[in-house]
Amino acid sequence: AQTVTQSQPEMSVQEAETVTLSCTYDTSESNYYLFWYKQPPSRQMILVIRQEAYKQQNATENRFSVNFQKAAKSFSLKISDSQLGDTAMYFCAFDASGSRLTFGEGTQLTVNP
Amino acid sequence: DTAVSQTPKYLVTQMGNDKSIKCEQNLGHDTMYWYKQDSKKFLKIMFSYNNKELIINETVPNRFSPKSPDKAHLNLHINSLELGDSAVYFCASSHRRAGDADTQYFGPGTRLTVL
Repeated sequence: AQTVTQSQPEMSVQEAETVTLSCTYDTSESNYYLFWYKQPPSRQMILVIRQEAYKQQNATENRFSVNFQKAAKSFSLKISDSQLGDTAMYFCAFDASGSRLTFGEGTQLTVNP
Repeated sequence: DTAVSQTPKYLVTQMGNDKSIKCEQNLGHDTMYWYKQDSKKFLKIMFSYNNKELIINETVPNRFSPKSPDKAHLNLHINSLELGDSAVYFCASSHRRAGDADTQYFGPGTRLTVL
């Protein structure tokens, strides 16, 4: 069974600064996908970024980038130039089969003005 | 147009009642899911359907019965509601390829409160 661990229940950052959220996972699969989802107070689950395990290049989406270390089974999310609207719960998720997402416990990020 | 929609967004009911949550997606996806988010915000898969066929039933009590009338709809019916069923229920959809994973898109969630 796959497991996903987010060891930081809460984090805070000043507006315009950079913050990194950690995620580790455990799997015996060789091909899989990793995701970061954001859940603001509105409750909506929003895809932030996606990484295919077979790709060595780290995914980036504007101010969001990942550091994917396959051997270490680590998948951290870096948010640059943090904005107030980035305040949300962030979930790391794993999918190997295309039939389910396995989520971490979440990290509550607060961006302070 | 909303990609994945759920109704209702809020549901308050008494213990022992039966209720349904509806989900519709207009993305042309062939796979739909139900997830439960508990009070600690932990998200866990309940069911997934591919082309109207059940492919995952994650040890959910049989009081929960999903029904997929067509590829665009996946409804969740809950019988004999219990206090522990209080949670946020999310519907999601994706395009499933054999041995591969595609991004799942989520509905807005239904907050169920059982009194």
